[in-house]
Amino acid sequence: GQQLNQSPQSMFIQEGEDVSMNCTSSSIFNTWLWYKQDPGEGPVLLIALYKAGELTSNGRLTAQFGITRKDSFLNISASIPSDVGIYFCAGPPNSNYQLIWGAGTKLIIKP
Amino acid sequence: DTEVTQTPKHLVMGMTNKKSLKCEQHMGHRAMYWYKQKAKKPPELMFVYSYEKLSINESVPSRFSPECPNSSLLNLHLHALQPEDSALYLCASSQDRTGLNGYTFGSGTRLTVV
Repeated sequence: GQQLNQSPQSMFIQEGEDVSMNCTSSSIFNTWLWYKQDPGEGPVLLIALYKAGELTSNGRLTAQFGITRKDSFLNISASIPSDVGIYFCAGPPNSNYQLIWGAGTKLIIKP
Repeated sequence: DTEVTQTPKHLVMGMTNKKSLKCEQHMGHRAMYWYKQKAKKPPELMFVYSYEKLSINESVPSRFSPECPNSSLLNLHLHALQPEDSALYLCASSQDRTGLNGYTFGSGTRLTVV
């Protein structure tokens, strides 16, 4: 079946640093979704991408839909403490329109 | 109203109990979902309702029984659960079942089976 490989699994960063994470797929996606989940809460949609090459920003967050349609990147600039959480990539590529999820990237900010 | 509301937030139940999880949205979304999420894992799809009809059941054991009374409400009835069913149960909705505009998730019900 289709799988998403998300990396890194976790990141320890200093406040103020930029962050990058990515997802790759074994097959072509037509949509990429990036979610963030805080502890004890449900995932919140950050950015949705619909076209190859598309670059979309949401505040300090920027996501790109890869040209090959098999990957996507999420960047966070100048990280702040409230950025901690788990970031998931997801896409709805299968015939049942079910989201396929990456394993998540856990962001931890060093004190 | 752009929220999905889930109740209760926490639930502890014994293996012989019957309980229900509730979910409500007033965004006019026509697809609603139940997900199960274990710690440090992505959500796993359990059920999909599209226009109030069950359209996908991801081989979920019969001790979980979904119900969609109307387009705004989604319930998950629980009976004779096992300790391994302890997890965060998330409800979500989307404009339609393609989910192409993203899902809106509730905050979840943290279920502990003892």
